[in-house]
Amino acid sequence: RKEVEQDPGPFNVPEGATVAFNCTYSNSASQSFFWYRQDCRKEPKLLMSVYSSGNEDGRFTAQLNRASQYISLLIRDSKLSDSATYLCVVRVNAGGTSYGKLTFGQGTILTVHP
Amino acid sequence: DVKVTQSSRYLVKRTGEKVFLECVQDMDHENMFWYRQDPGLGLRLIYFSYDVKMKEKGDIPEGYSVSREKKERFSLILESASTNQTSMYLCASSLPHRGAGTYEQYFGPGTRLTVT
Repeated sequence: RKEVEQDPGPFNVPEGATVAFNCTYSNSASQSFFWYRQDCRKEPKLLMSVYSSGNEDGRFTAQLNRASQYISLLIRDSKLSDSATYLCVVRVNAGGTSYGKLTFGQGTILTVHP
Repeated sequence: DVKVTQSSRYLVKRTGEKVFLECVQDMDHENMFWYRQDPGLGLRLIYFSYDVKMKEKGDIPEGYSVSREKKERFSLILESASTNQTSMYLCASSLPHRGAGTYEQYFGPGTRLTVT
C-alpha cells in the first residue's frame, strides 16, 4: 500500500465549477500535511498547509480528518489558471533530527476548460 | 525572492557514464533534497542533507551518491548511469523543521536526464 494515495484523475471541469480532491495516508504518526501545486513542466510549489481545524485561502479549502487519515482540497469557482497537478504531501517527524520526511502522493491532474 | 537553481534543464548521457547533477540555493537553508519524478510514481526521495557534509538515504538511494561540501550546494552523482535512471530530477531546500511551523520545500526547475 502506498504511503500517500490520491486519485490521479484527470479531472476535467468547466470554469466556475467546484472540484474536490481526496487523499489518504497510511502512517498514523504523520504530523503535518500540505497541498503542493505543480504546473506542467514546472517545479512543485506549496499551495497551502492543512490544519486539523480546516483552513481556507480564498477559493481553496483544505480539511484534515486524522481519525480516518484523510485529507481533502476543495476548489470553488474554478479558473483556467487552476489547471495543474495537485500533490498531497505528508510529513512524519524523524526522531530528534530537524528533518521531517516529506512523502508525496502521485498527484491529481486538474484541467479547467472554458 | 527564494531561488534554487540546477545546473542543467536537459541532459543526455550514455549508459555507464558518471553523471553529476548540481543544485545551488541562495536562501541559506540547512536542508537540501534530491528527488526523482516519474509518471505514475510521483516524487521519490533519493537523498537528503541537513547540514554540510551530512547526508541521509531517502527511499531510493541505490545507484546514487551525494556530496555537500558547502551549505548552498548539493550534488547528486550517478556513478554509472543506467537506462532506468532516465527521469526528471528535482532538487529542493528548506529551513530545518522546528515545532509546528510550516515546512515548505522550495524546488529547483528540474533536470530531465535521459540515459541511452
